[in-house]
Amino acid sequence: DQQVKQNSPSLSVQEGRISILNCDYTNSMFDYFLWYKKYPAEGPTFLISISSIKDKNEDGRFTVFLNKSAKHLSLHIVPSQPGDSAVYFCAPLVQGGSEKLVFGKGTKLTVNP
Amino acid sequence: GAGVSQSPRYKVAKRGQDVALRCDPISGHVSLFWYQQALGQGPEFLTYFQNEAQLDKSGLPSDRFFAERPEGSVSTLKIQRTQQEDSAVYLCASSLGPSGRPGELFFGEGSRLTVL
Repeated sequence: DQQVKQNSPSLSVQEGRISILNCDYTNSMFDYFLWYKKYPAEGPTFLISISSIKDKNEDGRFTVFLNKSAKHLSLHIVPSQPGDSAVYFCAPLVQGGSEKLVFGKGTKLTVNP
Repeated sequence: GAGVSQSPRYKVAKRGQDVALRCDPISGHVSLFWYQQALGQGPEFLTYFQNEAQLDKSGLPSDRFFAERPEGSVSTLKIQRTQQEDSAVYLCASSLGPSGRPGELFFGEGSRLTVL
């Protein structure tokens, strides 16, 4: 039973346009949500996060939106750059425990020049 | 370097062999995690240490898997009598723990295990 679903295995966008990556979750206990980025042959790296008490968090070109009632979050990248091409993982957790992240399967983003 | 270091990067084992994977976390990080990433999947939690204490091992798939962190620094993940389904990338991550940002883990490059 997947607690975290990233239903788009891949996404292709043109440089300069917006990339929107989506994530749905089923566990209502999740209260902190993170996005990780992974390049081939490297470990995942932290990108951006949002607490369940907020509905938006922005960091430069990256914005994460959280809709708790729909159990849905999205990552917006604008403008997209070729260096953003990577696999993006949605990874929520329940605070107060072991910081155990539950990862989705990931979405492979390709930004074409 | 200053990052999480894992060795070996690649390991090929014959079915039934024992393997040991090493993780050297970032100095001063109290929390250490092991994740397993199968091809085309996201990382899946295996186990968690806070200093030398193993506080959560709920993700270990069988009693063939064993992890330790005896001095609260370097950790070893041991897999006994390897099976083909153990083939995966094993990721180690460390974090500052309660004093850091929730969920911000620093991952190593992983150890890719192939069981023939």
